[in-house]
Amino acid sequence: GAVVSQHPSRVICKSGTSVKIECRSLDFQATTMFWYRQFPKQSLMLMATSNEGSKATYEQGVEKDKFLINHASLTLSTLTVTSAHPEDSSFYICSARDGGNPYEQYFGPGTRLTVT
Amino acid sequence: GDSVTQMEGPVTLSEEAFLTINCTYTATGYPSLFWYVQYPGEGLQLLLKATKADDKGSNKGFEATYRKETTSFHLEKGSVQVSDSAVYFCALNSGGYQKVTFGTGTKLQVIP
Repeated sequence: GAVVSQHPSRVICKSGTSVKIECRSLDFQATTMFWYRQFPKQSLMLMATSNEGSKATYEQGVEKDKFLINHASLTLSTLTVTSAHPEDSSFYICSARDGGNPYEQYFGPGTRLTVT
Repeated sequence: GDSVTQMEGPVTLSEEAFLTINCTYTATGYPSLFWYVQYPGEGLQLLLKATKADDKGSNKGFEATYRKETTSFHLEKGSVQVSDSAVYFCALNSGGYQKVTFGTGTKLQVIP
């Protein structure tokens, strides 16, 4: 089946630094990828929709200058948390939509970000 | 807009008990419906899905039937195991290129 990977799985960074998280579709081409944030014991909050070769579409309330998204190829999207602060600590999950089967999204294993 | 409502957890059951997690939805058109499972510390895995009314999705002993008349997609399992302990999310997709809308998740704890 379709596999989506994320790297790194866990990252700890100091406040004020930037962190990049990668999301890759391993065996299919993903024209669209999604970035979610999950707070402890809560559901997934969609942050942005990433389309290959174009600018990401951010959900209301998400700072696009803080959460930079780049979807440079059909198999890779990156999320960069700029000038991270402790309140950015969260579980970030990406998903990818297979262009041949648009009704399903395939989720990555998530990245646990801790900002100290 | 689209929305998904799940029963609040946590749900605590003894091993081999019957499980029902209720899910109802509001959506335009004819959405596809999904149940995802998240094990501790991991991402989401698709558990089962149904794409049209009266379809039954099933996987690993779990079942859910797409009920258009009641706008529901309740998750059931006849005999739960400790390994089923996880958070279960009901979700929908209103149309191919629309975003997936998730419920708040229901934590299931199965005790031996």
